Amino acid sequence: GAVVSQHPSWVICKSGTSVKIECRSLDFQATTMFWYRQFPKQSLMLMATSNEGSKATYEQGVEKDKFLINHASLTLSTLTVTSAHPEDSSFYICSARGGAITDTQYFGPGTRLTVL
Amino acid sequence: QKEVEQNSGPLSVPEGAIASLNCTYSDRVSQSFFWYRQYSGKSPELIMSIYSNGDKEDGRFTAQLNKASQYVSLLIRDSQPSDSATYLCAVRSSGDKLTFGTGTRLAVRP
Repeated sequence: GAVVSQHPSWVICKSGTSVKIECRSLDFQATTMFWYRQFPKQSLMLMATSNEGSKATYEQGVEKDKFLINHASLTLSTLTVTSAHPEDSSFYICSARGGAITDTQYFGPGTRLTVL
Repeated sequence: QKEVEQNSGPLSVPEGAIASLNCTYSDRVSQSFFWYRQYSGKSPELIMSIYSNGDKEDGRFTAQLNKASQYVSLLIRDSQPSDSATYLCAVRSSGDKLTFGTGTRLAVRP
């Protein structure tokens, strides 16, 4: 139980294009989903928290117009990186909270984004 | 600012030994505590959660919580080379968010 999927697992795009990453909770309804970013050899950095049907709450320093988050249902959240630049290249990981143990965050496998 | 501190390591132990990983946190009202394991290039996977003072065992893993001293630890018995990874301590104080430590890198020598 408590499986979270992410798609795609990796993506390479050209500078200036937009990339959408999907995060799905497969066997539970996620009341809250989180988006993290991790640079090599660094810890997880929370980007935003989203609840189904409401606007995401962004962490300080994260541009909400650049990183668009949509939490359309209790099992799906999407992160769109708009006008991507090489400095946006990173490992993006979502997590979902809910299910039998509502306090616990379960992580998706991550999406590695490379912007050329 | 809420902080979670971990020794970055690497912590090197021989195969079969007990690995002891420690974590301290600054927010006294913290309620929930988690240990995640992260292999290189992969996302974190949950090992254990603990909410009450004392020990909680799950297989080869034991989490220990001491709220008075504001520390939480993870013991790994009979360490295996496959346990080599970065171990992340995470704390939830209030609200939705977890605060993560920077992680301790564990290396188990065959």
